[in-house]
Amino acid sequence: QSALTQPPSASGSLGQSVTISCIGTNSDIGTYNFVSWYQQYPGKAPKLIIYEITKRPSGVPDRFSGSKSGNTAFLSVSGLQAEDEADYYCASPGVTGIFGGGTKLTVL
Amino acid sequence: EVRLVESGGDLVQPGGSLRLSCAASGFSFTTSWMTWVRQAPGKGLEWVANINQDGSVKYFMESVKGRFTISRDNAKDSVFLNMNSLRAEDTALYYCARDKANFAIDLWGQGTMVTVSS
Repeated sequence: QSALTQPPSASGSLGQSVTISCIGTNSDIGTYNFVSWYQQYPGKAPKLIIYEITKRPSGVPDRFSGSKSGNTAFLSVSGLQAEDEADYYCASPGVTGIFGGGTKLTVL
Repeated sequence: EVRLVESGGDLVQPGGSLRLSCAASGFSFTTSWMTWVRQAPGKGLEWVANINQDGSVKYFMESVKGRFTISRDNAKDSVFLNMNSLRAEDTALYYCARDKANFAIDLWGQGTMVTVSS
């Protein structure tokens, strides 16, 4: 089972918005409504920021939102802040669990 | 405090074995799916295996099937990853994590490093 496909990098200016895509297949994202997204800073453990496509855990700012269309999931970050600069990973159940390759978000 | 603490990572030769442990505290361990995720140096996250609440259901990524096993001891709030026939490509930081439901991995340990090298 190949990794979900994410762009290696994304960027946006302070206060602007950015959207990161996560492309899967009919066997994972296309079948399950359980896409999750994780934020990871260098040297730190990942943190859950979106689950079940659109839900945010307590404490995650509403600037983070998720969506899905067909076999592709999206993470949107609005009102970019300096602390949003991190690596972002999507994940989905499939044959087994599967993560995306990760996207490094740079805030300009 | 809600936490997961991994241990057991080490430097091991190719073909060798290792047992990782993860001690849980501060939450209801017996009602949680538990997962192992790894991250090779400078690389992305890779889902490795998970186990259901009573240990009767287990899933593994393809490349570790037949080499890795996952188990848990609910009396000791612990989950384990037994790794055999280790390969260089198994070198990674191994995270223990809790899947709160529907693949929402909401609690992560700090990781334990496994290095496979001669």
